[in-house]
Amino acid sequence: DAKTTQPPSMDCAEGRAANLPCNHSTISGNEYVYWYRQIHSQGPQYIIHGLKNNETNEMASLIITEDRKSSTLILPHATLRDTAVYYCIVRSDFGNEKLTFGTGTRLTIIP
Amino acid sequence: NAGVTQTPKFRILKIGQSMTLQCAQDMNHNYMYWYRQDPGMGLKLIYYSVGAGITDKGEVPNGYNVSRSTTEDFPLRLELAAPSQTSVYFCASSVRQGGRGGTEAFFGQGTRLTVV
Repeated sequence: DAKTTQPPSMDCAEGRAANLPCNHSTISGNEYVYWYRQIHSQGPQYIIHGLKNNETNEMASLIITEDRKSSTLILPHATLRDTAVYYCIVRSDFGNEKLTFGTGTRLTIIP
Repeated sequence: NAGVTQTPKFRILKIGQSMTLQCAQDMNHNYMYWYRQDPGMGLKLIYYSVGAGITDKGEVPNGYNVSRSTTEDFPLRLELAAPSQTSVYFCASSVRQGGRGGTEAFFGQGTRLTVV
C-alpha cells in the first residue's frame, strides 16, 4: 500500500471547518483513500473513503485532488467531540488485505 | 448486533505468564485483525486473518500467536509475557467488498494489558 504523510498536529476553533490534509504521492490506480479517527484511546472509528471522486457522508467530506496525490478530510462544523487522532490510509481494492496505520494527525478543537 | 467484542478489558500479567486475549465478532466478517498501541503511539498490526483457517503476520508478530478456527473468533495468545508487551490491544473486523475498496473496519474497545 502507498505511504501517507500527515501533519502531526493541528488546532481548529469550535464551529469552524477543520481541514485535515494527507499526502499520498505514490498512490496507484486501484488504491482507495480511507480516513479513520481515534478518540481518546477508544477503538478507531471509520469516517469515509473514496477513490477519485469527492465523497460526503453525515460525518465528513473527502476531497481528492485530480492527480490523486493528496486529499483533504473536511469536518464542516467542528465540535469539541471531534478532538481525536485522524488517520489517513491508502489501501488497495484487491491483493492486499492488510490494514496498516501511520501516526496520524492529532486534531484539537479549541472552544 | 454486538459488533466486535474483546475480553478482558484490563489485565495485569507477571513476566513469563501466558494469556489469551479474546476477540469475537457477530457481523460474519471474513477479515479480522489484531493491533497493539503503545502509549502516545499509533497502531501496529500484529496478525491478521482473511478467513477461517488462514492467518498471516503483520508488522510486529514476535511474541504472539493467533488462530482462526471459526469466522467469529480470533484469539491472540501471549506465551511468555514480557514488559515490552505492555500495551493496549485492539481487535478489528471487516468484510471484503470488491470494487469499493473493501469496507470499513469495526474495532473493539480494546484490552489494556500491563506486564510487571
